[in-house]
Amino acid sequence: DARVTQTPRHKVTEMGQEVTMRCQPILGHNTVFWYRQTMMQGLELLAYFRNRAPLDDSGMPKDRFSAEMPDATLATLKIQPSEPRDSAVYFCASGLVTGGQTEAFFGQGTRLTVV
Amino acid sequence: EDQVTQSPEALRLQEGESSSLNCSYTVSGLRGLFWYRQDPGKGPEFLFTLYSAGEEKEKERLKATLTKKESFLHITAPKPEDSATYLCAVRSTGFQKLVFGTGTRLLVSP
Repeated sequence: DARVTQTPRHKVTEMGQEVTMRCQPILGHNTVFWYRQTMMQGLELLAYFRNRAPLDDSGMPKDRFSAEMPDATLATLKIQPSEPRDSAVYFCASGLVTGGQTEAFFGQGTRLTVV
Repeated sequence: EDQVTQSPEALRLQEGESSSLNCSYTVSGLRGLFWYRQDPGKGPEFLFTLYSAGEEKEKERLKATLTKKESFLHITAPKPEDSATYLCAVRSTGFQKLVFGTGTRLLVSP
């Protein structure tokens, strides 16, 4: 049963600490998305990659957020330093772009609390 | 800028009481409209993709339809297990990203 796997599922950290979230996309998918979900804003796109190359990271605060894909089986989202306003659920999704169509499949998310 | 508006924000139905959820959108060029279901504490689960006006897709008690300005998710004779938040998203020409609405929270009471 192919699925997107995210770790950790929950993270509580103190303000100023570094946080790294990891995502294993579905094998064979060539597009990876990072979304953030809050009650106020809903799902917001932070960044996405195609064939491991970043295509758009305009949704990320550049001074503290960074996203990478070291290889095809791993995507990371890092926050340094973390702030209380970063508290949210972070979702990774992957998809296969074929003929211009992309259906994204989501992981279970990482619930981040910054105190 | 692509925009998606969903209504109502919340909907409470009795089991068996059919209804529809609305998703209005504005995009520069639609390359797909997506419906997802999200249960509490879980990630969005893909339901449907619609690509052109007039297209319809069905899955069990759900049917999604698409016009040039909006999409409807019709729920026929819902059951309590259909309770969830239903999210709509669009993808526009030239972009791979999905822009999401804020969702409709559906509660179906027995």
